[in-house]
Amino acid sequence: QVTLRESGPVLVKPTQTLTLTCTFSGFSLSTTEMSVTWVRQPPGKALEWLALIDWDDDKYYSTSLQTRLTISKDTSTNEVVLTMTNMDPVDTATYYCARSTSGAVAADFDSWGQGTLVTVSS
Amino acid sequence: QSVLTQPPSVSAAPGQQVTITCSGSGSNIGKNYVSWYRQVPGTAPKLLIYDNDKRPSGIPERFSGSKSGTSATLGVTGLQTGDEADYYCASWDGSTTVVFGGGTKLTVL
Repeated sequence: QVTLRESGPVLVKPTQTLTLTCTFSGFSLSTTEMSVTWVRQPPGKALEWLALIDWDDDKYYSTSLQTRLTISKDTSTNEVVLTMTNMDPVDTATYYCARSTSGAVAADFDSWGQGTLVTVSS
Repeated sequence: QSVLTQPPSVSAAPGQQVTITCSGSGSNIGKNYVSWYRQVPGTAPKLLIYDNDKRPSGIPERFSGSKSGTSATLGVTGLQTGDEADYYCASWDGSTTVVFGGGTKLTVL
């Protein structure tokens, strides 16, 4: 059974750095073609893709946010970490992590975490 | 504005069918697979269609996908009130980023 769970702060102040952790089970990020991605959704708005890391440690970032994002993985602890610098109130959103077994070929994320709501406010 | 364009809303009566379009370009839909997701507000998205037209295990045959050129379509037949949700398309753009559509709210009248 594949599970993913997001964890991190529920409230961050403007200009702070957000660190989110995706802890997963039921698969290994060392397996060929496996990848984990981060997607966010501001309240009442559409899904927005943020970043992806694959089994080969290749990393992919949203063009508009790439200067603020860093994604990394720890295959020994089954965790993927996303950091986003210089947080702003417009970054208030539910942040999801999800898995794909297609590497960087198809955007087919077949398992998702429940999401974690991050509010940016002073 | 999303890279992939979807109609904001579609509606149909129970038992009827509906299609949701997703328009992109040669760098995304034109050269990469399209996936479709269903999201009930307050819950995580769920994969409905992958590789343009394939259904994951457990997804009813009422849901279908197709792609032609730089556009993709999600079809839903035999509409049920439980199909009310937001639907999103997604694809890689080039080989470097993933893009989602702006989402379509399906209402079953």
